[in-house]
Amino acid sequence: GAGVSQSPSNKVTEKGKDVELRCDPISGHTALYWYRQSLGQGLEFLIYFQGNSAPDKSGLPSDRFSAERTGGSVSTLTIQRTQQEDSAVYLCASSSYLTEYGYTFGSGTRLTVV
Amino acid sequence: DQQVKQNSPSLSVQEGRISILNCDYTNSMFDYFLWYKKYPAEGPTFLISISSIKDKNEDGRFTVFLNKSAKHLSLHIVPSQPGDSAVYFCAASAKTSYDKVIFGPGTSLSVIP
Repeated sequence: GAGVSQSPSNKVTEKGKDVELRCDPISGHTALYWYRQSLGQGLEFLIYFQGNSAPDKSGLPSDRFSAERTGGSVSTLTIQRTQQEDSAVYLCASSSYLTEYGYTFGSGTRLTVV
Repeated sequence: DQQVKQNSPSLSVQEGRISILNCDYTNSMFDYFLWYKKYPAEGPTFLISISSIKDKNEDGRFTVFLNKSAKHLSLHIVPSQPGDSAVYFCAASAKTSYDKVIFGPGTSLSVIP
């Protein structure tokens, strides 16, 4: 596609439920990143994929968070047993290895846990 | 511990004047620095970058200055325009952390017409 697409754009969920966030990167971009921005905070790195493998998962806040990428394309970020502190905007970005630092971000998924 | 700091949460500037956004970093391994701009309800967009081998990079109205000894960089916007009103994120990366970019907390810039 023309840009990085994220769905849903907004998600309200009850505490304790699981949620899945989806990211469709730019076609041909080998690298994919997940960040989140909590209210009043900067962008917090969560996980990075190169192809289908995740060399760096260091930013995942707890074992309730997991992510996968299939076919070197779409990625899903899953949060199990959501907590109120998980409320944030979850941003996905992709880049081509040829433009190593040229992240293109999606518009994000605003997650609200009530 | 924040590796990239932006100590001014907000900044107001008159249209036509210069906007200066500051950023400090603590990790001496960082060798590439970026600025991103973010409008509400949109993802951040890449603005300008600088490699540690340079001390200045200019792109139109935007100039980034890097002072490695002070671990400090700044973004200058001149002249400032109302459309520049946005949140600006400073970010940094190290070759040893290939492709992982660390972002600062952001500075909200308001350009007053």
